[in-house]
Amino acid sequence: EPEVTQTPSHQVTQMGQEVILRCVPISNHLYFYWYRQILGQKVEFLVSFYNNEISEKSEIFDDQFSVERPDGSNFTLKIRSTKLEDSAMYFCASTRLAINEQFFGPGTRLTVL
Amino acid sequence: KNEVEQSPQNLTAQEGEFITINCSYSVGISALHWLQQHPGGGIVSLFMLSSGKKKHGRLIATINIQEKHSSLHITASHPRDSAVYICAVHNTDKLIFGTGTRLQVFP
Repeated sequence: EPEVTQTPSHQVTQMGQEVILRCVPISNHLYFYWYRQILGQKVEFLVSFYNNEISEKSEIFDDQFSVERPDGSNFTLKIRSTKLEDSAMYFCASTRLAINEQFFGPGTRLTVL
Repeated sequence: KNEVEQSPQNLTAQEGEFITINCSYSVGISALHWLQQHPGGGIVSLFMLSSGKKKHGRLIATINIQEKHSSLHITASHPRDSAVYICAVHNTDKLIFGTGTRLQVFP
């Protein structure tokens, strides 16, 4: 059964460093999402992406964040200069239709020291 | 005030019990999702519904659009049902999540 994959599973970085989180969505899916979950808190929407552009983003998704689909298979989230408060689990999700069941990746745990 | 509220926050049950988790929302939605988050963190979609009722095995989800309320029922609960159950609403092009209900089912 096709699944969404994410790498790395755990990333540790120093404050101020850039990180890139990678996701491979399910191959025939067209809508892509990034969410984050700070430890002990609820899941929060970051950004949605369709047709090679951002369709919606949250207040969290400021100028330090960017997304890209560089090669038609990968979907990346870049944080330019990480802060301590960026420490969280980051989930990628994809779906074939705009309003449809979303398939989540296993997450990347980001720890900023 | 949260746009998506779930109750209860925590729930313990004996194996075999019937379980209900409730979700209320205050925003316009195009669909509502019930998700399951395992202790390891992974998130699995259980249901997406925009009206009426859906059933998968021992799980039943209902939604009342007029009341802005949904329920997730688990019949004949089992210890393997222990997880966090999350209600999320589809609003414009994003999901808005509830805080989740932590369910523990004891043998």
